[in-house]
Amino acid sequence: RKEVEQDPGPFNVPEGATVAFNCTYSNSASQSFFWYRQDCRKEPKLLMSVYSSGNEDGRFTAQLNRASQYISLLIRDSKLSDSATYLCVVNGNTGFQKLVFGTGTRLLVSP
Amino acid sequence: GAVVSQHPSWVICKSGTSVKIECRSLDFQATTMFWYRQFPKQSLMLMATSNEGSKATYEQGVEKDKFLINHASLTLSTLTVTSAHPEDSSFYICSARSGQGHNEQFFGPGTRLTVL
Repeated sequence: RKEVEQDPGPFNVPEGATVAFNCTYSNSASQSFFWYRQDCRKEPKLLMSVYSSGNEDGRFTAQLNRASQYISLLIRDSKLSDSATYLCVVNGNTGFQKLVFGTGTRLLVSP
Repeated sequence: GAVVSQHPSWVICKSGTSVKIECRSLDFQATTMFWYRQFPKQSLMLMATSNEGSKATYEQGVEKDKFLINHASLTLSTLTVTSAHPEDSSFYICSARSGQGHNEQFFGPGTRLTVL
């Protein structure tokens, strides 16, 4: 079983739509959770950290469910510029400073 | 936010040659640097973790004699791909962590290596 699993997509949505991604992780001892965004042929960039209480940053809302070991990302009012691959990231099994990346979920927002 | 640079951004080389990639933290001191590799349509895979002044810790399946890592200062780490072969062609990305507070890693822009 992969440490971090995501639906690869692609998710094709029109501008203005609301879209949600889920991610599951296998290490119940993980303490840090993140969503990164990666554009084609670019490095990943931190979108937001994910906290137990859930957190929101503008149109983006992240949730963590420790009991079920899944993380979600909700994007409201999608923009064309939101088209990218969204990576679910958790700290690893053997070292809390190590990050383990999911394969990413591709989002395509169309006019 | 913190800035990490990589050089070169892309490189094409012949099979059997060695390639050095530099990773620099420009506005902070990086106690730990990480090297990742990403093949097309796959996730980033951690290759090794390096702490300034000590030997790198390699992930299982990564050959330390083939991928030489040097973290000689708090702002510079290098990855040398020795005797590169076409299967080493990939996107190599470094990240740096300051060691203060949170777990956030700051990523370099990546180096695209093509071995002919």
